Amino acid sequence: QKEVEQDPGPLSVPEGAIVSLNCTYSNSAFQYFMWYRQYSRKGPELLMYTYSSGNKEDGRFTAQVDKSSKYISLFIRDSQPSDSATYLCAMSPQGGSEKLVFGKGTKLTVNP
Amino acid sequence: NAGVMQNPRHLVRRRGQEARLRCSPMKGHSHVYWYRQLPEEGLKFMVYLQKENIIDESGMPKERFSAEFPKEGPSILRIQQVVRGDSAAYFCASSSGGAGWPQHFGDGTRLSIL
Repeated sequence: QKEVEQDPGPLSVPEGAIVSLNCTYSNSAFQYFMWYRQYSRKGPELLMYTYSSGNKEDGRFTAQVDKSSKYISLFIRDSQPSDSATYLCAMSPQGGSEKLVFGKGTKLTVNP
Repeated sequence: NAGVMQNPRHLVRRRGQEARLRCSPMKGHSHVYWYRQLPEEGLKFMVYLQKENIIDESGMPKERFSAEFPKEGPSILRIQQVVRGDSAAYFCASSSGGAGWPQHFGDGTRLSIL
C-alpha cells in the first residue's frame, strides 16, 4: 500500500462548479498536511498548510483533514479556468522541517 | 523575486556526462530539499540539507548522486555519469525550518539525457 493515494483524474468541470479533491494515507504519524498547485512546466505552489484534524479556509479554498479516517480534502468554490492545474497533496510528521510525501497529483480542467 | 531560484531551467546531457543543478533558497531560509519528478509520477524526496550538513539523504540513489549546501553559495545536486533513467524534473524547496514553516518550491530543472 502506498503511503499516500491520490486519484490522478483527469477531472473536468464547468466554470463555477465546486471541486472536491481528495487523498488518503496510511501513515498515522503524519501531522502536517499540504496542498500544492502545479501549473504545467512550473514548480509546486503552496495553497494550504494545515496541522492535525479540522478545517482551514482561505478565499475560495477549503482544506479538510480527518485523521481518524486518514483522509484529506481540498474544496474549490466558484472554480475558474485559471484553477486548471495539477493539484498535489503532501504530508509529513514534522511539517516543514523534514521530507514531504506527495500524492501523484490530480489534473483539473475548468472549462469556461 | 525573493523565491527559490533554480538554474538552469533546462539541461541536456549525453550519457556518461555530469549534470550539476543549482538552487538558491528563499531569502532567510537555511533548509534545502531536493525532489525528483518522473513523468506520470509524484514528487519523490531525495535529500535534505542545511548549511554544510546533510540531514537526510534517504531518498538519494546510492551511486552517482551527491548534494551539497556550502556555507556560501547555492545548493548543488550533482549527478555523475548520467543515464537515460535520470531524465526528470528536479525541484528544490526551501524552508526556514521547524514544523510550522512550509516548504516553498522553485520552478525546477528539466534534465534530458540523450
